Parts: sequence; C-alpha cells; structure tokens
Amino acid sequence: DQQVKQNSPSLSVQEGRISILNCDYTNSMFDYFLWYKKYPAEGPTFLISISSIKDKNEDGRFTVFLNKSAKHLSLHIVPSQPGDSAVYFCAASEGTYKYIFGTGTRLKVLA
Amino acid sequence: DTGVSQDPRHKITKRGQNVTFRCDPISEHNRLYWYRQTLGQGPEFLTYFQNEAQLEKSRLLSDRFSAERPKGSFSTLEIQRTEQGDSAMYLCASSSRDTEAFFGQGTRLTVV
Repeated sequence: DQQVKQNSPSLSVQEGRISILNCDYTNSMFDYFLWYKKYPAEGPTFLISISSIKDKNEDGRFTVFLNKSAKHLSLHIVPSQPGDSAVYFCAASEGTYKYIFGTGTRLKVLA
Repeated sequence: DTGVSQDPRHKITKRGQNVTFRCDPISEHNRLYWYRQTLGQGPEFLTYFQNEAQLEKSRLLSDRFSAERPKGSFSTLEIQRTEQGDSAMYLCASSSRDTEAFFGQGTRLTVV
C-alpha cells in the first residue's frame, strides 16, 4: 500500500514560470514532510521540509504548502530554471527517521 | 567532511555471489540509514542505526541481507547469495537528531 503518492510521473514547465509538484499521503500519523531532488547517477539531495504544525515553509525560490485536512502537500518553484530539471521525491515520516518516499515526479524546465 | 560516501559506486556480480557495500556517514551524525531504490520507484527504507545499535529493520531485508555498524561510524551492507531481484541502487544516508537525512551517491548493483 503506497502511503505517499505522487500521481504525476512527469511535468514540463517553461523557464521563468511556476512549477507545482503535488504529493498526497494516507497516514495521518505523519508529522514531518520533505522534498528531495535527484539528478541521474546521484543520491537524493534535500530541498525543503515542513513540520505538521505549519502550513507553509519558504526557502528562496522553493515553497512547500501542507494541507493536513486534505493530506496533501505541494512544492512550488518560482521562477523555474533549467537547472531545476530533475526527479523530485516527496517523503513523509512519523518522527525524524524512516522516511516513506513517493515514486517521484520528473520535472523538465524548458529554456 | 564532504558528505556521505559510498563504495563502490557500481558493482556487477553473478547470481549466487556475495557482495558487500560500505558507507561512511557525515562524521558528526549518529544516525545511519540504508535505502534501496529500483527503477521508477522512490527509495525504500531497509534499516536504521543509532550509533552502533540497529534499531529497525524493514521486512524488505530478507535473511540474505545483513547490515552492521560496528563502531558507530561506517556501516556495511552485505547481500548473500545474490538474486537478480536484488539489482537496485543501494543508498546510505546519515543524520543527527535535529537534521534531515543526507544521502550518499549510492551503489548501483547489477546481478547477472
């Protein structure tokens, strides 16, 4: 049973526009959520996180929104840049270890 | 410290052989994790160490798999009698109590 779901396997966005990546989860006990970015042949790189006591967290061009009632989070990248092209994984945990990852969304930012 | 280091980066082995991978975490991190990633999937949790103690093992970790962290620093993951289904990227990550997990570049295993 997939507890963390990323239903869009891929997304293409024009450079300079907003990229919105979505993630849904089923386990209401999850209290910490993260986004990782992965380039080919590299390990995942941490991008941004959010605790369940917040509904928004920003870091530069990256903002994560959490809607606990809908069990949904999203990552906004504004403005999108060609270097953002990668696979983005959503992850969730109860506490601070044992992340449950989604299947990823491949973002392609077109120049 | 340049981050989490994994060795080797790639391993090709014949079915039935044993393989061992090594992970050197970020030095000040006392938590260490192993994950496995197959094509089209996200990383799947295998096991977790706090210092030298293995505190959790996934049921994905069959009895052919064993992980150790003998002195609470580096860790090894051994797979005995490899099967083609073991082909995957094996990722190691480390963290402290107050940080997110930092991943290494992974070891890609191909069983032929």
